[in-house]
Amino acid sequence: DAGVIQSPRHEVTEMGQEVTLRCKPISGHNSLFWYRQTMMRGLELLIYFNNNVPIDDSGMPEDRFSAKMPNASFSTLKIQPSEPRDSAVYFCASRTGTGLYGYTFGSGTRLTVV
Amino acid sequence: GESVGLHLPTLSVQEGDNSIINCAYSNSASDYFIWYKQESGKGPQFIIDIRSNMDKRQGQRVTVLLNKTVKHLSLQIAATQPGDSAVYFCAEIPYGGATNKLIFGTGTLLAVQP
Repeated sequence: DAGVIQSPRHEVTEMGQEVTLRCKPISGHNSLFWYRQTMMRGLELLIYFNNNVPIDDSGMPEDRFSAKMPNASFSTLKIQPSEPRDSAVYFCASRTGTGLYGYTFGSGTRLTVV
Repeated sequence: GESVGLHLPTLSVQEGDNSIINCAYSNSASDYFIWYKQESGKGPQFIIDIRSNMDKRQGQRVTVLLNKTVKHLSLQIAATQPGDSAVYFCAEIPYGGATNKLIFGTGTLLAVQP
């Protein structure tokens, strides 16, 4: 089991550019979560999907952020246009949909917007 | 101006001592709690979980205690080792897990002195 796979590990981009973060959940997990971690706000839930369907996007900071899950094995988080305050580590996590089990996190994407 | 980040509580212990990390949660409806360990540059890693119908659960070198009366959670690490140095987060699922939303606390930095 390769775990939750995120790419890229690091991304440096200029303000105004589009950024796309990618996540491959663990096979068989049908819930997927995007979190953002900053020193100011800690770990924040941005959006989560059940069976590829977005369930709660109330944590998405603004319309510049969007997330998709076209199939069970892939999700993207897009920021367009990016701003310096979007600089953070973005984590993807997945879990099985049955019962209350621990979530498995990826290694994160460190985004720096200059 | 200069940004002010979260000031993580820090627990400094000597190698071999026991560590106790505390967490207060706010939602009395939460019925599932998880402790995560996050090492530098990595995603949160599951340590141990507990349901609200329990007040204690033990794992390998770790014990989680839950006091629902005062909404308090603690993680005890026996014979703390240098490899235990990390930030520890408690997390809760409110509303009985129906929403799947895992909400994280601020975190505590555990520093193990050799």
